[in-house]
Amino acid sequence: GEDVEQSLFLSVREGDSSVINCTYTDSSSTYLYWYKQEPGAGLQLLTYIFSNMDMKQDQRLTVLLNKKDKHLSLRIADTQTGDSAIYFCAVLNSGNTPLVFGKGTRLSVIA
Amino acid sequence: GAGVSQTPSNKVTEKGKYVELRCDPISGHTALYWYRQSLGQGPEFLIYFQGTGAADDSGLPNDRFFAVRPEGSVSTLKIQRTERGDSAVYLCASSSLAGGDEQFFGPGTRLTVL
Repeated sequence: GEDVEQSLFLSVREGDSSVINCTYTDSSSTYLYWYKQEPGAGLQLLTYIFSNMDMKQDQRLTVLLNKKDKHLSLRIADTQTGDSAIYFCAVLNSGNTPLVFGKGTRLSVIA
Repeated sequence: GAGVSQTPSNKVTEKGKYVELRCDPISGHTALYWYRQSLGQGPEFLIYFQGTGAADDSGLPNDRFFAVRPEGSVSTLKIQRTERGDSAVYLCASSSLAGGDEQFFGPGTRLTVL
């Protein structure tokens, strides 16, 4: 089945850019998502990209998709302390409906 | 309602007991999903409903777990003979269409089995 991998921790200084990386295994993945989870809160969809795209920008967020390498990244520009959270990469495969999540990357922003 | 709601928010039970976890999806959403998130892990799929029927229950870990959605809206996840390893946050999500449409997540129910 699909396997989604992320690095577990990332620490950045306030104002710097953060880049969170994700790799997946199933080349038939059609939708790729980034979710944010703050302590005690539910999952919040940040952004998503379709597999026929290679980049998507939404305000401070930039998603890059390299289908050949099965690599997805999320760049957060001008990272703020409020961006501190766990970020999950999730993948939806063609023909299936449940999301497959990575283990999450804990982003710590140092003031 | 405005979003997906789940009750209770926290449940503490003893090993061997039976528990029910409830999910109220967004009104009109036909697809409903249950996921389980263990400490330090990402959410893992349990079961998916399209309307009243379970379209995919391949993620249920064993026959102690069962879920229903009798009227195509509210769903209940039932766990029999709970074990300590069942302790996790149980997340519910709903979407208006199956596959590809955004899944809106509830805040989860934190289950602790002592």
